[in-house]
Amino acid sequence: EPEVTQTPSHQVTQMGQEVILRCVPISNHLYFYWYRQILGQKVEFLVSFYNNEISEKSEIFDDQFSVERPDGSNFTLKIRSTKLEDSAMYFCASSRDHYGYTFGSGTRLTVV
Amino acid sequence: EDQVTQSPEALRLQEGESSSLNCSYTVSGLRGLFWYRQDPGKGPEFLFTLYSAGEEKEKERLKATLTKKESFLHITAPKPEDSATYLCAVQEASGSARQLTFGSGTQLTVLP
Repeated sequence: EPEVTQTPSHQVTQMGQEVILRCVPISNHLYFYWYRQILGQKVEFLVSFYNNEISEKSEIFDDQFSVERPDGSNFTLKIRSTKLEDSAMYFCASSRDHYGYTFGSGTRLTVV
Repeated sequence: EDQVTQSPEALRLQEGESSSLNCSYTVSGLRGLFWYRQDPGKGPEFLFTLYSAGEEKEKERLKATLTKKESFLHITAPKPEDSATYLCAVQEASGSARQLTFGSGTQLTVLP
């Protein structure tokens, strides 16, 4: 069964540093997403991406964040100048249409 | 005000003891209601999508139903391997919006 692959599985970074989280969506999917889950809290929407541009973003997704699809397979989330409160699980997801999201296993980001 | 509310927060069942999880939602128009299973440290795993009131879907010991204000996930004769957090999410019928809004989840423990 096709999977969404995320790397790394765990990233530790110092406050103020930049991190890039990587995702390989399912190959025939057209819509790509990032969500995050702070420990013990709800899964929260960050951003959706379609046709090489952002289609929706939440209030969380401010200038600190950016997304990119640098080639035909990867989808990345960049967090500039990380803060302690950015520590969370970050999930990438993809879908072929409006429905049927498939999530990856996540990257646990720890900011120290 | 929360758009998606799940109850109970936690549920402990004996193996074979059937029960139901509830997801109530308040959105102006529903495009789809999603159920996911999440194991500790993992990404949400897709179970069902429901689109309209009266719809039902089944998969093994799980059955999801939808009304105009809530959805139920019925678990029949659960086994210990059904232990997980079950997440409900809604997608609003608003233009091209595709983001999912998640509830807090129900943590299910099935005891042997």
